[in-house]
Amino acid sequence: DGGITQSPKYLFRKEGQNVTLSCEQNLNHDAMYWYRQDPGQGLRLIYYSQIVNDFQKGDIAEGYSVSREKKESFPLTVTSAQKNPTAFYLCASSIGALLTGELFFGEGSRLTVL
Amino acid sequence: GESVGLHLPTLSVQEGDNSIINCAYSNSASDYFIWYKQESGKGPQFIIDIRSNMDKRQGQRVTVLLNKTVKHLSLQIAATQPGDSAVYFCAYQTGGSYIPTFGRGTSLIVHP
Repeated sequence: DGGITQSPKYLFRKEGQNVTLSCEQNLNHDAMYWYRQDPGQGLRLIYYSQIVNDFQKGDIAEGYSVSREKKESFPLTVTSAQKNPTAFYLCASSIGALLTGELFFGEGSRLTVL
Repeated sequence: GESVGLHLPTLSVQEGDNSIINCAYSNSASDYFIWYKQESGKGPQFIIDIRSNMDKRQGQRVTVLLNKTVKHLSLQIAATQPGDSAVYFCAYQTGGSYIPTFGRGTSLIVHP
């Protein structure tokens, strides 16, 4: 089945450690996104990518980094510079830059920093 | 895209009632609108969409209404069921940008 796979679903890390969240899609979508969601709140855009080897900062990119070496993959690294990394992270994809269309979301990764 | 990091408003209804969830948008050039449903601990899922050349679109038990004059979007759920309990987000896109802007979300609680 086509879709987006995020891993791990739950992740615990010590303060000061970098962590990388995986996001893979087999929908052949050009655009991919990372959102952060805090409890009881909406979605905030961290980074997005329109095409392989290109990505742009969203509204809250500080303390995060991404790469887009393959069309299918858009991993997110939460660095030690992120002051409050505990959150629910959502990856999404859409057809592409020139077409409006729905976002397809993964099931999310819940990061807890101890 | 932007989303607002504010606490979510809540709509509480009885099973069988009709629910109406509202969303205001700011950009009059927005031309594509989507409603998503997010169940607890999961990613949002597409419910229904509407383009700006329409003012109403119906799906199964759901209807989206678009009022471009006042920049307002609503989602109506008929005969609400406990399984409809979730957070509902509107999102809108503007021609030339594929990055959606998300509304703040509404938490729907359905009481049996």
